[in-house]
Amino acid sequence: QKEVEQNSGPLSVPEGAIASLNCTYSDRGSQSFFWYRQYSGKSPELIMFIYSNGDKEDGRFTAQLNKASQYVSLLIRDSQPSDSATYLCAVIGYGGSQGNLIFGKGTKLSVKP
Amino acid sequence: DAGVTQSPTHLIKTRGQHVTLRCSPISGHKSVSWYQQVLGQGPQFIFQYYEKEERGRGNFPDRFSARQFPNYSSELNVNALLLGDSALYLCASSLVPTNQETQYFGPGTRLLVL
Repeated sequence: QKEVEQNSGPLSVPEGAIASLNCTYSDRGSQSFFWYRQYSGKSPELIMFIYSNGDKEDGRFTAQLNKASQYVSLLIRDSQPSDSATYLCAVIGYGGSQGNLIFGKGTKLSVKP
Repeated sequence: DAGVTQSPTHLIKTRGQHVTLRCSPISGHKSVSWYQQVLGQGPQFIFQYYEKEERGRGNFPDRFSARQFPNYSSELNVNALLLGDSALYLCASSLVPTNQETQYFGPGTRLLVL
């Protein structure tokens, strides 16, 4: 059973701080990794994807991937109250049904003004 | 360009009924996937279609079925509804169903089974 694990939170950070969201996955063959943001009552919205080990930066967001440790993280710099949402980590495995996303349960982030 | 669209946005059904949910992908996208998200959980994969063919199926009972049309739109059908089928049903589209293809989600259909 391929699994994606996330700390459900809630994670509370003050405005302007760095929020760190973590995710581990069980399938060593996983190739692609995605972070989605989901506001309450809304659908998931893609923030970032990462395929290679290392860091990938996009504005205030940095995704980090360590395939040896089967670990992916998302850093949000200068956190804003509008970043308050649930962050979903998702992976695409190797083999089987190509292209289907396996999601974690999500981490709820609260940014306090 | 329009994103993924889904209809209806909300639906209330009673146990035993059936339901049909509809999805139109982003223009140019040929792959559609369906996910179920129950409250407090991440989305769970139901089906993936590409070029009208089923490319993948998640761990859901045969009460769930889907199809894709020549214009790449898709329908998800659920028969003999159970209370546990109450969830947000999400449709996602991508250009093609590869391991590195980003999937973009529609607004979802919120189904309540009474």
